Amino acid sequence: DVKVTQSSRYLVKRTGEKVFLECVQDMDHENMFWYRQDPGLGLRLIYFSYDVKMKEKGDIPEGYSVSREKKERFSLILESASTNQTSMYLCASSLSGQSEAFFGQGTRLTVV
Amino acid sequence: AQSVAQPEDQVNVAEGNPLTVKCTYSVSGNPYLFWYVQYPNRGLQFLLKYITGDNLVKGSYGFEAEFNKSQTSFHLKKPSALVSDSALYFCAVRDILGYFTGNTPLVFGKGTRLSVIA
Repeated sequence: DVKVTQSSRYLVKRTGEKVFLECVQDMDHENMFWYRQDPGLGLRLIYFSYDVKMKEKGDIPEGYSVSREKKERFSLILESASTNQTSMYLCASSLSGQSEAFFGQGTRLTVV
Repeated sequence: AQSVAQPEDQVNVAEGNPLTVKCTYSVSGNPYLFWYVQYPNRGLQFLLKYITGDNLVKGSYGFEAEFNKSQTSFHLKKPSALVSDSALYFCAVRDILGYFTGNTPLVFGKGTRLSVIA
């Protein structure tokens, strides 16, 4: 089975901190994604990557950056965490455009 | 730009009755369509997808969905609902035109909360 692993289930960080969310997939997938999920807003795409060192902005990239130095790992970085970035963050990967995406368990981030 | 609409925030159905969760989409080219389910404090789980071929797609846990190109819809259905089906359901679309001319991700709807009452 495909496994997408997010490094933390729960995180509490202070305003202004630099925050790293890590995601690793074990099936050699080309595409990787970061979404945030908020009640009533569904899943909103932050960034995605279709190859190593490649990245594309999603719908809400402001305040975030990403890194994909290795195929299996896609990191989301909050440069200076703010309270409005308190959310559930979901990482996903997929083999191709026809393939379904596989999701990690999510990281619930609270910024205080 | 591609988009997905799930017109109902909440669907309530009695156990044993058929259920329908609605989804409509908008794309420039042709769509790849997906349904996912999310249980509390969990990530999303894949249910089924439409890529090409038969308009009626069968998936996990007895769910099925019908692709209707003229109505740009991909409604999720199940003949007999179970209490354990209660969860949050997401429809998602990827634009095939975008896939070949560039790289496009899955775009999700806002989700529909299904509540099955015993």
